[in-house]
Amino acid sequence: AQKITQTQPGMFVQEKEAVTLDCTYDTSDPSYGLFWYKQPSSGEMIFLIYQGSYDQQNATEGRYSLNFQKARKSANLVISASQLGDSAMYFCAMRGSGYSTLTFGKGTMLLVSP
Amino acid sequence: EAGVVQSPRYKIIEKKQPVAFWCNPISGHNTLYWYLQNLGQGPELLIRYENEEAVDDSQLPKDRFSAERLKGVDSTLKIQPAELGDSAVYLCASSLAGGEGNEQFFGPGTRLTVL
Repeated sequence: AQKITQTQPGMFVQEKEAVTLDCTYDTSDPSYGLFWYKQPSSGEMIFLIYQGSYDQQNATEGRYSLNFQKARKSANLVISASQLGDSAMYFCAMRGSGYSTLTFGKGTMLLVSP
Repeated sequence: EAGVVQSPRYKIIEKKQPVAFWCNPISGHNTLYWYLQNLGQGPELLIRYENEEAVDDSQLPKDRFSAERLKGVDSTLKIQPAELGDSAVYLCASSLAGGEGNEQFFGPGTRLTVL
């Protein structure tokens, strides 16, 4: 079984500052993938970044980076230079080897203030 | 390229009534998913299709929920009869077949309210 834990129900950050959203996971699969999605109030899940368990480098996509610490089973999302439009729910998810199903955490609500 | 299309976006019904949701995945995506998202929670898989075959429906409450994906493209999710606890957002997603790194693209969801 796979499990994703997001311990921060909500986070506040000022515009232009960096913020880290925490995610820990548990799996017995030797190979897996980790994802972060953004869900604005409109409801659509927007893919942000992906990290494979065997990737040597931490994934980066523009202002998003994934701080992957395999030994700690953590995959934190770092958003640099926050913008007002970053205010949304953020979900961490994982998929094990051989599966196509994503297991999601409960999410973290991020609010960016001017 | 068009994304995943879902309709309706919102639906309000009385309990015990039937309801159906429709999803059109991204062209060329063999895998289609239906997720249930309760308020304050992450999405949970209801059913996954590979082409027209339901390969994972273990979380689908089969006494009242049904789904189909005729011809391996569009899909319909039905609830009959609806209960108060079914009020939630129903998300459809699609991806290229297989692979732990394949990104899933989500539709905007259908928000169901059962009165």
